[in-house]
Amino acid sequence: EIVLTQSPGTLSLSPGERATLSCRASHNIPNTYLAWYQQKVGQPPRLLMYDASTKTTATPDRISGSGSGTDFTLTITRLEPEDFAVYYCQYYGVSPWTFGQGTKVEIK
Amino acid sequence: QKQLVQSGAEVKKPGASVKVSCKAYGYTFTTYSMHWVRQAPGQGLEWMGRINPNSGGTDYAQKFQGRITMTRDTSISTAYMELTGLTSDDTAMYYCAPATMTFDHWGQGTLVTVSS
Repeated sequence: EIVLTQSPGTLSLSPGERATLSCRASHNIPNTYLAWYQQKVGQPPRLLMYDASTKTTATPDRISGSGSGTDFTLTITRLEPEDFAVYYCQYYGVSPWTFGQGTKVEIK
Repeated sequence: QKQLVQSGAEVKKPGASVKVSCKAYGYTFTTYSMHWVRQAPGQGLEWMGRINPNSGGTDYAQKFQGRITMTRDTSISTAYMELTGLTSDDTAMYYCAPATMTFDHWGQGTLVTVSS
């Protein structure tokens, strides 16, 4: 099983600032099968990124993903009010699918 | 456009079982495996397993082996997740999500509360 560890647990930033979220895997992730989700209170998660760096059609340009192997990053270049939420990374493709514990991006 | 409609909230006593349904609209039900994910209050996401709607084959997370059963009824495009031996630790929102790989659509969630 691939264990995903996200850091930091909480990121306190102001609108307009840059956010850098990390996701580290316990083993190499083949094919960069790493996704990122955003979740707001009372809603199911929303897929932002897959294959580590491929955006969905709804993902804003200010959000990007990178990484390979065991180290992955989600970057939000200039935080907008709607970006304050919890972000999860996910390994997929070979069972078991796993999630990181999440990073909360909160308003400072 | 995929749409998933889950059954309503449940309150169960410790030791009981719960069966949550997930009805699919807007796509061919047998095209995608149906995954189940749960989220305890204030906690993260936990993958529970998946069912292949074509074959009925299942793949469960080891943590739930022995007390989880996923089934489907293709005639009504509905997947089910049953969890037995409930404890307070099973209090959570349960989501279904059809997927080959990533979860681009989710059900609205079913809150299961386990309380004596």
